[in-house]
Amino acid sequence: KAGVTQTPRYLIKTRGQQVTLSCSPISGHRSVSWYQQTPGQGLQFLFEYFSETQRNKGNFPGRFSGRQFSNSRSEMNVSTLELGDSALYLCASSLAQGGYGYTFGSGTRLTVV
Amino acid sequence: AQSVTQLGSHVSVSEGALVLLRCNYSSSVPPYLFWYVQYPNQGLQLLLKYTTGATLVKGINGFEAEFKKSETSFHLTKPSAHMSDAAEYFCAVTGGFKTIFGAGTRLFVKA
Repeated sequence: KAGVTQTPRYLIKTRGQQVTLSCSPISGHRSVSWYQQTPGQGLQFLFEYFSETQRNKGNFPGRFSGRQFSNSRSEMNVSTLELGDSALYLCASSLAQGGYGYTFGSGTRLTVV
Repeated sequence: AQSVTQLGSHVSVSEGALVLLRCNYSSSVPPYLFWYVQYPNQGLQLLLKYTTGATLVKGINGFEAEFKKSETSFHLTKPSAHMSDAAEYFCAVTGGFKTIFGAGTRLFVKA
C-alpha cells in the first residue's frame, strides 16, 4: 500500500513568488490535512479537506489556500511568499477525522530567499 | 477548543532506562489522543492512540500510554530505552475536524 506522497520534497523560492505543493493521500483516505512545521512554532494546523470540502481552517492569512480534487489528491498554494513562510509543510491523510489518526507524508521543505 | 501541553522540550535518558514523556490536554469534547514520533527529515509516524475503552493503550516499538481523565493526562512510557528511540515525540488531541499537536519533546538516549 503506497504511503502519502508529497511533491516536491525541496523547493527554493524568492520572496514575492507563489508556490503550489501537492499531496497524494493513501488510497481510500478521504481526509487530507496540512500542517506547517517550524522550529519556533512547532506544528501549526493549516486546513483540512474531506470529499473536496474544506471543513476547518487554521489561523493563517489568506495567502495560504488549498483545495482537494475528486480523487482526494490535495494541493496547497501560498501566494506572495514571505521569508517567514520558510518551513516544512506536512500533509496528513486519514479515513476521516476522529479516532483514526494520521498517516503523514515526508513533507515539502520550502525555503524562501 | 482543544490544547496540548508537553512538559519538557528535551528529555535525556540512559540506554535501558525508563522513558517517560508527559502530555496534558484540554478538550471541550471527549478527546481522541495520539502520540506520534518524528525522525530527522521525515514526517510523523503514529505510535499509538486512545479513542474509547481501555485506558492503557499499547503502541509500536514497545511504547504505551495511559489515559487519565481525572488528570487530563496521556503520558507516554517505555520500560527500557533503546538508542533507536532517539527522536522527537508529539502528543496530539483531536476534536471536531482538527487535530492539535503539542510542541514536541526531543528524546536523547545516552549509551
